[in-house]
Amino acid sequence: DIQMTQSPTSLSASLGETVSIECLASAGISNDLAWYQQKSGKSPQLLIYTTSRLQDGVPSRFSGSGSGTRYSLKISGVQPEDKADYFCQQSYKYPLTFGSGTKLEIK
Amino acid sequence: EVQLVESGGGLVQPGGSLKLSCAASGFTFSDDYMAWVRQAPKKGLEWVATISYKGTTTYYGDSVRGRFTISRDNAKNALYLQMNSLRSEDTATYYCARHESRLSFDYWGQGVMVTVSS
Repeated sequence: DIQMTQSPTSLSASLGETVSIECLASAGISNDLAWYQQKSGKSPQLLIYTTSRLQDGVPSRFSGSGSGTRYSLKISGVQPEDKADYFCQQSYKYPLTFGSGTKLEIK
Repeated sequence: EVQLVESGGGLVQPGGSLKLSCAASGFTFSDDYMAWVRQAPKKGLEWVATISYKGTTTYYGDSVRGRFTISRDNAKNALYLQMNSLRSEDTATYYCARHESRLSFDYWGQGVMVTVSS
């Protein structure tokens, strides 16, 4: 199974700050990496798929990058509505696996 | 508008069974792989199972293989999860989700709670 190690577990950012979240896969996943945002009490929402493709309707301040085993999500100019949990997911092979999540707080 | 609406959750005793349903609308259901993903209280996301377009191929996570069965009825635009031999560790919110072509999940239902407890 491919393990996804996500960091940091939590972070706190000021409005307008740029933050990054990383995921490290235990094996190469050929850019098959997605990012989700989950607000409190809500279902997860797809932000980015295949490393860097923005899902329709997602603000352009969200971006993704990476290759091989290392991937990251960047939020350029954090907004109050970005307070949420973020999860990565490898879609390369079964079993599909998620990172453990990052909680983003807004100062 | 894509909509996925789960039902069938509730409280069940350890060793019991439960069947979840997901009603899909707003897209051509038979064109897409579908899946169940769960989230234990205050925990992360765990993929449970995936089913192919016609239901001929299924995939399961190690923790549920042999106990859970995913199925679909394309005529009814419905996805199912039959859960047998339930354990306390199966307690979670279960989400119905649609796969996009590269196996990420582009649409999710609102989730249904399953509690396994005596």
